[in-house]
Amino acid sequence: GAGVSQSPRYKVAKRGQDVALRCDPISGHVSLFWYQQALGQGPEFLTYFQNEAQLDKSGLPSDRFFAERPEGSVSTLKIQRTQQEDSAVYLCASSPGADSPLHFGNGTRLTVT
Amino acid sequence: AQSVTQLGSHVSVSEGALVLLRCNYSSSVPPYLFWYVQYPNQGLQLLLKYTSAATLVKGINGFEAEFKKSETSFHLTKPSAHMSDAAEYFCAVSELGNNRLAFGKGNQVVVIP
Repeated sequence: GAGVSQSPRYKVAKRGQDVALRCDPISGHVSLFWYQQALGQGPEFLTYFQNEAQLDKSGLPSDRFFAERPEGSVSTLKIQRTQQEDSAVYLCASSPGADSPLHFGNGTRLTVT
Repeated sequence: AQSVTQLGSHVSVSEGALVLLRCNYSSSVPPYLFWYVQYPNQGLQLLLKYTSAATLVKGINGFEAEFKKSETSFHLTKPSAHMSDAAEYFCAVSELGNNRLAFGKGNQVVVIP
């Protein structure tokens, strides 16, 4: 079956631009996570949804980062006024429940120039 | 706060030799521990998970890991490396058994023919 799909695969943004990254989780998966992976580092937690409710956004690095999942399926991570330090791979993952194994997408590589 | 340490970003192993990747954790409560693998151009995939049942955990592709509380370790091993094991491996910890994971920096495994 289809896995977690993320788009775009690559995104280049000029400093100061806004970007929107999309995640299509596996159908029926209740839990959805966003992680940020900087070059040479492990993924770092950003935020977590259970259905449409954002239960934890403590990992978002600044108020320029915003995530939503309005209908409990597709999620969008938005970054306003991008900065060079935002350059990273943004990973989305979903699972049937909070303690079920995560299924990761291939990520969106964001480069801010 | 929970964290894991993986030393040595690049690990070279000869085909047929033992694969050993070290992971040490820090957690204020009994941890849940994970190993993930990332093949080139693919998403992270769960190799195995420790959840306070058996201390020796068997995973996919012949990998296993042993939880040692006295050493705060969860090292990953495979008796005989295959060329297909070339990938990046991440150790991760969760204090609540949920999928809010703290990842290590990862080990890039290179298999030498």
